[in-house]
Amino acid sequence: RKEVEQDPGPFNVPEGATVAFNCTYSNSASQSFFWYRQDCRKEPKLLMSVYSSGNEDGRFTAQLNRASQYISLLIRDSKLSDSATYLCVVNKMDSSYKLIFGSGTRLLVRP
Amino acid sequence: EAGVVQSPRYKIIEKKQPVAFWCNPISGHNTLYWYLQNLGQGPELLIRYENEEAVDDSQLPKDRFSAERLKGVDSTLKIQPAELGDSAVYLCASSLGSGDNEQFFGPGTRLTVL
Repeated sequence: RKEVEQDPGPFNVPEGATVAFNCTYSNSASQSFFWYRQDCRKEPKLLMSVYSSGNEDGRFTAQLNRASQYISLLIRDSKLSDSATYLCVVNKMDSSYKLIFGSGTRLLVRP
Repeated sequence: EAGVVQSPRYKIIEKKQPVAFWCNPISGHNTLYWYLQNLGQGPELLIRYENEEAVDDSQLPKDRFSAERLKGVDSTLKIQPAELGDSAVYLCASSLGSGDNEQFFGPGTRLTVL
């Protein structure tokens, strides 16, 4: 089983739609959670951190459910420019701090 | 402010040849990471440096991969000899420190081994 699992998609939605991505992680000791965005043939960039109480940044809302080891990302009022791959990232607390990246969920926003 | 710089951006070599990738992190970032990203997958950590010290190289295939960061600034990742399965994007990232500090990625080097 992968340490971080995501639905690969693609999610194909019209502009203005609301879309949600889910992610599960296997290490219950993980303490830090992030969503990164990666455009086609570009490098990953931090989209937002995910806090226990949930957090919002404009049209983006991230939620964490520690009991279920589940993270979500909600995008409201989708824009064409939101088309990208969204990577769920979890830290691994062992002998050395390490980020574990999911395989990503691809989003396509159509006009 | 300049971001993470990597070169070359693309490299095509034949199997069994050596190859080297170079990375210059953001100025002042003492933590440097090398990641490997296969198509359709997320980045996987190969090695992490704190200044010039490799503090986590547990995922680096040491039989053919090596890395160095001699002066604690720029870094080189080498593969010798390259195999077909090494074809991937090699990403360098840097951060102000380890832990939850944001990692900033370079554009990557796309390696094709024929």
